[in-house]
Amino acid sequence: NAGVIQTPRHKVTGKGQEATLWCEPISGHSAVFWYRQTIVQGLEFLTYFRNQAPIDDSGMPKERFSAQMPNQSHSTLKIQSTQPQDSAVYLCASSLEGNQDTQYFGPGTRLLVL
Amino acid sequence: GDSVTQTEGQVALSEEDFLTIHCNYSASGYPALFWYVQYPGEGPQFLFRASRDKEKGSSRGFEATYDKGTTSFHLRKASVQESDSAVYYCALVDTNAYKVIFGKGTHLHVLP
Repeated sequence: NAGVIQTPRHKVTGKGQEATLWCEPISGHSAVFWYRQTIVQGLEFLTYFRNQAPIDDSGMPKERFSAQMPNQSHSTLKIQSTQPQDSAVYLCASSLEGNQDTQYFGPGTRLLVL
Repeated sequence: GDSVTQTEGQVALSEEDFLTIHCNYSASGYPALFWYVQYPGEGPQFLFRASRDKEKGSSRGFEATYDKGTTSFHLRKASVQESDSAVYYCALVDTNAYKVIFGKGTHLHVLP
């Protein structure tokens, strides 16, 4: 029973480059979440999809960050013009319909912007 | 806004010691409370939850009781093992919501 899959596990980009992070939720889970984890800020909510529809992106930085869920089996988080302060672990989580508060996390993508 | 405050920093214990990690919350509604555990290189793993006053959650020998009066959800384990070394997060989700609000995490080191 595969858990949430995230690729790549590690990504290094130069300042100003674009980074795309991928998430495959647990099969049958209709809710997908993205979080960011840093030493200073801890775990922060970024955005939430339910049945592929964007529901809440209140945690997303207004510029440069975007997320999509083109089908039920994957979601992407794209960061344009990456900056060193974007360096973090980006975590994807999924949950069942009607049980959105119990979320299952993937291993994360560690992004390093040089 | 809603928040979670837990034992800060690191806790070092020896095997078979008793563990307590304190967690207090602040929320406008009646939240569900959670404990997650995170091992190096992995995402947080759901440990257990409680959603009503006096409800006890438990898993793998860890337990916590929802206390609305003291707004607390302290994590306890009677006898820790080296394999319990990890970062533990207390968290809440407000009623009818979905956004998990995490505490800052407590790094548990269990020495053999």
